[in-house]
Amino acid sequence: GAVVSQHPSRVICKSGTSVKIECRSLDFQATTMFWYRQFPKQSLMLMATSNEGSKATYEQGVEKDKFLINHASLTLSTLTVTSAHPEDSSFYICSAYLNSNQPQHFGDGTRLSIL
Amino acid sequence: GQQLNQSPQSMFIQEGEDVSMNCTSSSIFNTWLWYKQDPGEGPVLLIALYKAGELTSNGRLTAQFGITRKDSFLNISASIPSDVGIYFCAGFAPDTGKLIFGQGTTLQVKP
Repeated sequence: GAVVSQHPSRVICKSGTSVKIECRSLDFQATTMFWYRQFPKQSLMLMATSNEGSKATYEQGVEKDKFLINHASLTLSTLTVTSAHPEDSSFYICSAYLNSNQPQHFGDGTRLSIL
Repeated sequence: GQQLNQSPQSMFIQEGEDVSMNCTSSSIFNTWLWYKQDPGEGPVLLIALYKAGELTSNGRLTAQFGITRKDSFLNISASIPSDVGIYFCAGFAPDTGKLIFGQGTTLQVKP
């Protein structure tokens, strides 16, 4: 069964709206979670590493003020796309692992469509 | 930066045929992972490899961690229509703690 839950699965909203996506580890505690973005027919691109109790680490070229990450508990990380615009439309996927010696397990992704 | 080259980019095969895909890297990884992604869903872990030379099976799937630690392959035997999807290799880079993904192999199976 799924070990990482992501919600919502799909969001359609107007330009300028802020959208929050949740990622939960279901049966383990994850001090580290990851947020990826995937464009059609492309591979996963790491956006940021979410660290419980500390600031997220963003990849080069990813705006931290645009993509706010909060990892307030050992089972929940949230990604907020602030003031979303059509170019932010994409498939966002989170992942988590028990520790760095274990493989990452992925959520089912969130399809974000900004009109 | 680290890159993974995955091939082939796509495959269109007949049901019942065997499939092979591989990934190569310019640098060493200590873990290789193979995932499958169905349309509109997140990647699902198929096989994890932790030791150079390791050969691991999961049903009709077999994957190997190359001796040089710079490559891995995935074989699917006797393909069936539900094998359709995108297969990704991923290497874990211990120095950065990040997964590096290949470009993916799109598999289509003709019944």
